[in-house]
Amino acid sequence: GAVVSQHPSRVICKSGTSVKIECRSLDFQATTMFWYRQFPKQSLMLMATSNEGSKATYEQGVEKDKFLINHASLTLSTLTVTSAHPEDSSFYICSAARTDTQYFGPGTRLTVL
Amino acid sequence: AQTVTQSQPEMSVQEAETVTLSCTYDTSESDYYLFWYKQPPSRQMILVIRQEAYKQQNATENRFSVNFQKAAKSFSLKISDSQLGDAAMYFCAYRSLMEYGNKLVFGAGTILRVKS
Repeated sequence: GAVVSQHPSRVICKSGTSVKIECRSLDFQATTMFWYRQFPKQSLMLMATSNEGSKATYEQGVEKDKFLINHASLTLSTLTVTSAHPEDSSFYICSAARTDTQYFGPGTRLTVL
Repeated sequence: AQTVTQSQPEMSVQEAETVTLSCTYDTSESDYYLFWYKQPPSRQMILVIRQEAYKQQNATENRFSVNFQKAAKSFSLKISDSQLGDAAMYFCAYRSLMEYGNKLVFGAGTILRVKS
């Protein structure tokens, strides 16, 4: 149990376009989901906490208008990178909380050309 | 704010031997959770083991066990009978019970290499 999926696994887009990443908890309901960004050989950096039915809580320094988060149901959260630029290229990971533990998706590699 | 420190950027172990990864944390809270996650080359984060601070007994999961020293704020991970598949980056993480939201505070990670 506690499986989290992420789609797509890889995406390449042109500068200025928007990209949506989906995070789904497959076998449990998750009131809270999280979005992280990870640079190579570094730790995970929390971007925002996504709560079902309410606005996301962003960490300091994360642009709310650039990284739009929607948690429309108890099994789905989406991250939309708007007007993407090359500096947004990174590995994005989501997680879903089940009781006291976070379970992670497989990640999405975003490349902005 | 809580912090988590992993002082070993890289470790190596011979296959079938035992290795210990260190983790210390700083908190003023008395109740919290601690976790070890593994991130293999696929980059999928996998939960290895979890410890509730109120439990004195050290958590174990097959070949993985922890040495939880609450007073010293230390939470090391011991991997016994190391296997090639254990090669990964390992992250120690802290979760407050006081702070709403289930957020994790991660350490910088330790890269574990397993030699055959």
